[in-house]
Amino acid sequence: QKEVEQNSGPLSVPEGAIASLNCTYSDRVSQSFFWYRQYSGKSPELIMSIYSNGDKEDGRFTAQLNKASQYVSLLIRDSQPSDSATYLCASYNQGGKLIFGQGTELSVKP
Amino acid sequence: DAGITQSPRHKVTETGTPVTLRCHQTENHRYMYWYRQDPGHGLRLIHYSYGVKDTDKGEVSDGYSVSRSKTEDFLLTLESATSSQTSVYFCAISEDRSGNTIYFGEGSWLTVV
Repeated sequence: QKEVEQNSGPLSVPEGAIASLNCTYSDRVSQSFFWYRQYSGKSPELIMSIYSNGDKEDGRFTAQLNKASQYVSLLIRDSQPSDSATYLCASYNQGGKLIFGQGTELSVKP
Repeated sequence: DAGITQSPRHKVTETGTPVTLRCHQTENHRYMYWYRQDPGHGLRLIHYSYGVKDTDKGEVSDGYSVSRSKTEDFLLTLESATSSQTSVYFCAISEDRSGNTIYFGEGSWLTVV
């Protein structure tokens, strides 16, 4: 079992809809969680970090963390074609290493 | 943009040859990482460094070695390249372990034929 798991997708949503991306992790000690966005052929860029249970909002993005269920999600409201990318979930494991999931490809159709 | 330079950006090499990828930073960050990215696997940590001459293994370290003799340079070496090491390699740097200050280089595309 991978330490961080995501549905690889692709996830397709219409423009203006809410895109929901999910991630589970196996290391119960993990405290820090991150969402990265990666456009095709480019390097990943950090878009959200979350450390506490609950929701964290930043513009159109909301990250949700449930430590009891070992579940992290990213919601993108009012999805735009420019949001089409691969979204990577990551967390620090007990050994202090930043571990990534396999990524979810999101496609927003005009 | 964070000052991270990877070289070479693209390389084709033959099976069995040694290959070294270089990551150079101008940020004076303590932590440096090498990841590989393959379809369906996301980013997988190969090795990382937490200071000059201080390195540790990641998830997929077999077949790879690293060296960090200066703060600004982190080298990844494939001693004898295999076709399974065909991948995109990303270097990353961070100032601390908070995760909020990690920056990635532009990637190195390596093809082993």
